[in-house]
Amino acid sequence: EAQVTQNPRYLITVTGKKLTVTCSQNMNHEYMSWYRQDPGLGLRQIYYSMNVEVTDKGDVPEGYKVSRKEKRNFPLILESPSPNQTSLYFCASSFAGTGHHGYTFGSGTRLTVV
Amino acid sequence: SQQGEEDPQALSIQEGENATMNCSYKTSINNLQWYRQNSGRGLVHLILIRSNEREKHSGRLRVTLDTSKKSSSLLITASRAADTASYFCATEKGFQKLVFGTGTRLLVSP
Repeated sequence: EAQVTQNPRYLITVTGKKLTVTCSQNMNHEYMSWYRQDPGLGLRQIYYSMNVEVTDKGDVPEGYKVSRKEKRNFPLILESPSPNQTSLYFCASSFAGTGHHGYTFGSGTRLTVV
Repeated sequence: SQQGEEDPQALSIQEGENATMNCSYKTSINNLQWYRQNSGRGLVHLILIRSNEREKHSGRLRVTLDTSKKSSSLLITASRAADTASYFCATEKGFQKLVFGTGTRLLVSP
């Protein structure tokens, strides 16, 4: 089944403790992206990647890191999480160029930082 | 930053009725997409309409796009209780990111 898999689904952590949210897609998509969703603010892009070893900042990149060493994986790293990073996170992927017909989203990771 | 504004913010209908949601946006676009989100779950892509298209159909869904008015509408015909969800429009200009609207919460009662 074609899908974007995020792990974990739920995570509660303490301020300052480094964490990684994994994202993997099995559709050979070039493009991958991370969003966060907050009440009243909607979905905002954190980082995106056009292909392996190519990443760039979205609208709200502060406090986050990403890497794209393999085409299928795009982990989101929080080096020193803070309570304002409590949110619902989504990974998305898509074909680039003429193969682009919309994005496939993961099921989400609900992160709470205390 | 949110480009799109959906209208209405919430919509409550009976099963079998049609549901219409509207989306307005601010800048020129390459395409506009509609997504569905069940409570707290991931977004599901429904349909993509390109800037040179005016109407598109997919099953019970009909999407229109008016680039002169910078607006789009999503019509769901013969609604079912399972259509209860939030619906978002999202615009794409360059191939870098989606800019999402504020969403319409649809409740379909049996």
